[in-house]
Amino acid sequence: DSGVTQTPKHLITATGQRVTLRCSPRSGDLSVYWYQQSLDQGLQFLIQYYNGEERAKGNILERFSAQQFPDLHSELNLSSLELGDSALYFCASSDLKRGGMDTQYFGPGTRLTVL
Amino acid sequence: KNQVEQSPQSLIILEGKNCTLQCNYTVSPFSNLRWYKQDTGRGPVSLTIMTFSENTKSNGRYTATLDADTKQSSLHITASQLSDSASYICVVIPYNQGGKLIFGQGTELSVKP
Repeated sequence: DSGVTQTPKHLITATGQRVTLRCSPRSGDLSVYWYQQSLDQGLQFLIQYYNGEERAKGNILERFSAQQFPDLHSELNLSSLELGDSALYFCASSDLKRGGMDTQYFGPGTRLTVL
Repeated sequence: KNQVEQSPQSLIILEGKNCTLQCNYTVSPFSNLRWYKQDTGRGPVSLTIMTFSENTKSNGRYTATLDADTKQSSLHITASQLSDSASYICVVIPYNQGGKLIFGQGTELSVKP
């Protein structure tokens, strides 16, 4: 158990809908990362937040958005869903104390299926 | 062309044998290079983290090497166990791009009894 929790574990929805994925980082970790893993693309970095502020952006679509709240939990919002958005979405957290050499701890993931 | 390429794509070995997984990257400059182990349907787990100036890093039966001149890294697994069956992912963190990570496609390792 990494200490990172994600909800829900599974999510099935229809095209065009909007969903919210939630992540609670390990106690004390200020940084949260979101990743998408699909069968044909592998793991892709989406976005990173540090203490409530966006720190780095990867291959995140405009239909997707994220935020980190004062209690450090984070949400990833996916809208106008398409079939291709079906994937595993992972959240990871780290303490960033070692300036780039931080270990990221991954949550169990949310499996999103868009029908 | 992917900035981080791994080989082989998949590998089958017998329990107790050693194996070496390869990672070639073009990301430059980079801050550090990592190897992760990912069991099917679960989140990746960090095995090793190396800065550009390090040549080798061990974690139990896992030993990672890095040659920054040739932009190659390898992960050597000794005395393999059935529980080593997983996907092994090479990750490169570019220098000065925040927390952005660039992932390889992974090597799927299967250890058979």
